[in-house]
Amino acid sequence: TQLLEQSPQFLSIQEGENLTVYCNSSSVFSSLQWYRQEPGEGPVLLVTVVTGGEVKKLKRLTFQFGDARKDSSLHITAAQPGDTGLYLCAGIVRYGGSQGNLIFGKGTKLSVKP
Amino acid sequence: GAVVSQHPSWVICKSGTSVKIECRSLDFQATTMFWYRQFPKQSLMLMATSNEGSKATYEQGVEKDKFLINHASLTLSTLTVTSAHPEDSSFYICSARRPYAYNEQFFGPGTRLTVL
Repeated sequence: TQLLEQSPQFLSIQEGENLTVYCNSSSVFSSLQWYRQEPGEGPVLLVTVVTGGEVKKLKRLTFQFGDARKDSSLHITAAQPGDTGLYLCAGIVRYGGSQGNLIFGKGTKLSVKP
Repeated sequence: GAVVSQHPSWVICKSGTSVKIECRSLDFQATTMFWYRQFPKQSLMLMATSNEGSKATYEQGVEKDKFLINHASLTLSTLTVTSAHPEDSSFYICSARRPYAYNEQFFGPGTRLTVL
């Protein structure tokens, strides 16, 4: 069962464009993390959101946690070729059998062309 | 920072041999480490949870006798792929959970295993 739906799976845009990646679930998360992974490397933690409605900014990246803590979004402003990579959302489930484990979305492969 | 190292970064072995992969948390103690497997163009698949001083918890479908996990200390977990076969070829990634920090996991750089 895929608890965390991430969309889109693939995104190819031109440098300077904006984009948004979404993670949705029917489960409530105690926290949600966004990672970026480059080919042949491990994921690197970008941000952790823990409070419903929380918004965090990391330079041109804006992360939002839904009020009900069931969804999150990542918005990139004026994308650059250096933003190219695989973006993964991952949440800690608050209730249920998977409680405590990090549940990953399928990832969004972003390609930013100069 | 929270740095996790993994060794080796890549390994090529013959079918039937065993391969050990090490995962170390360099600047924090991790009572819990995780082992993931990642296929090309796919997300991470959790294989097992490794707890210091106790037996690992394996996910459904993961053979515990095939993938031996040892969490010998608060900074080291090892994954041994026993009697490796070509279908075991994959990218193996470990992570370490930093306590008291919203259960954040920090990942190692991964190990590319190729079984001939």
